[in-house]
Amino acid sequence: KAGVTQTPRYLIKTRGQQVTLSCSPISGHRSVSWYQQTPGQGLQFLFEYFSETQRNKGNFPGRFSGRQFSNSRSEMNVSTLELGDSALYLCASSWGSGSYTGELFFGEGSRLTVL
Amino acid sequence: QQPVQSPQAVILREGEDAVINCSSSKALYSVHWYRQKHGEAPVFLMILLKGGEQKGHDKISASFNEKKQQSSLYLTASQLSYSGTYFCGTEEDAGGTSYGKLTFGQGTILTVHP
Repeated sequence: KAGVTQTPRYLIKTRGQQVTLSCSPISGHRSVSWYQQTPGQGLQFLFEYFSETQRNKGNFPGRFSGRQFSNSRSEMNVSTLELGDSALYLCASSWGSGSYTGELFFGEGSRLTVL
Repeated sequence: QQPVQSPQAVILREGEDAVINCSSSKALYSVHWYRQKHGEAPVFLMILLKGGEQKGHDKISASFNEKKQQSSLYLTASQLSYSGTYFCGTEEDAGGTSYGKLTFGQGTILTVHP
């Protein structure tokens, strides 16, 4: 079956602009999580959506937002970009049900460079 | 607060064994292990749950000490394909409300030479 698809794979923006990243989960998966990966901070949790509802949120400023659509596809948006937002943004999908986080299937990520 | 992984890096020759440790200051519900090769997405290896249940690949073994909130990943008879960065991800024991929210350690770089 098709894996997690993230678009775009690479993008370059300038400070102050905004960006929208897209994630298509594995068919049937209802949970989508977003992570930021940088050399200095590692993998940091941004937020998680299940059935169009945000269930969890990490410690990122309000400039980082997301949403999930009825087909489970998700988007994340970063407004007023800063140099420090340069990172690999990873999306992960999972079934989403149950009492614990199951196996996460990661996409290859969207690499954002802010100039 | 992110879990602490040790060692930060390890170099092996094919066939040698290694242990990667992960320690948290929080009460945990689960510990996850992922491997990421350069330029690729992290790939699931194993989940260890509070209460002793484990799910993962047959060739991977790990342990979870619930009293100490520590987990160890055991890599035996290493192969070249084991090279990569290993991350532990922890899920807090918060009554099921922390779904999807994994806190990852800084990673352990494993290099296997022929």
